[in-house]
Amino acid sequence: KQEVTQIPAALSVPEGENLVLNCSFTDSAIYNLQWFRQDPGKGLTSLLLIQSSQREQTSGRLNASLDKSSGRSTLYIAASQPGDSATYLCAVRFPGAGSYQLTFGKGTKLSVIP
Amino acid sequence: NAGVTQTPKFRVLKTGQSMTLLCAQDMNHEYMYWYRQDPGMGLRLIHYSVGEGTTAKGEVPDGYNVSRLKKQNFLLGLESAAPSQTSVYFCASSDPGETQYFGPGTRLLVL
Repeated sequence: KQEVTQIPAALSVPEGENLVLNCSFTDSAIYNLQWFRQDPGKGLTSLLLIQSSQREQTSGRLNASLDKSSGRSTLYIAASQPGDSATYLCAVRFPGAGSYQLTFGKGTKLSVIP
Repeated sequence: NAGVTQTPKFRVLKTGQSMTLLCAQDMNHEYMYWYRQDPGMGLRLIHYSVGEGTTAKGEVPDGYNVSRLKKQNFLLGLESAAPSQTSVYFCASSDPGETQYFGPGTRLLVL
């Protein structure tokens, strides 16, 4: 079964620290991988989309990398701020019968302490 | 642009009642999706559509029906609600293979 795992489930860091969120997935043959942010009681906001042919994507203080051979992606957040506190979700689009859907990890809840 | 909107935002149903959740998108996306989000289970795909007039089953389709009569709208129906369908429902849309954009969600409580 194709699965996406995010460890740790929760992370607390002091403001200003650089941090890395991890995502691992079964099956290295993916179409793409997407990172989302979810604030409490809200919908999902897309942060970065990495296509299978790409190694990384950057947006402002965020950088996402993709290593298909090891089945891993990381989301790097530079100079964290209290406003970055949210749950971060990794989602993978796998090929095959379910190729239209995204398979989500359960997320990492990030708290940035002022 | 409003993006993806969902109606209603919150609803309480009694077991056996029916209801329809409405999703609308103004980005002219071909694909639309319905997910449910449950604690400890993450987001799971219920049904999806790859174009007007088409629908297909996702990971957890039982107890739900969908329709996409217009490109911009995707309806999710519960014919006979059960407590197990208590959840937060999210609609999303995308172009093929591209970023999925999510709506704000509908919180459903089935008593």
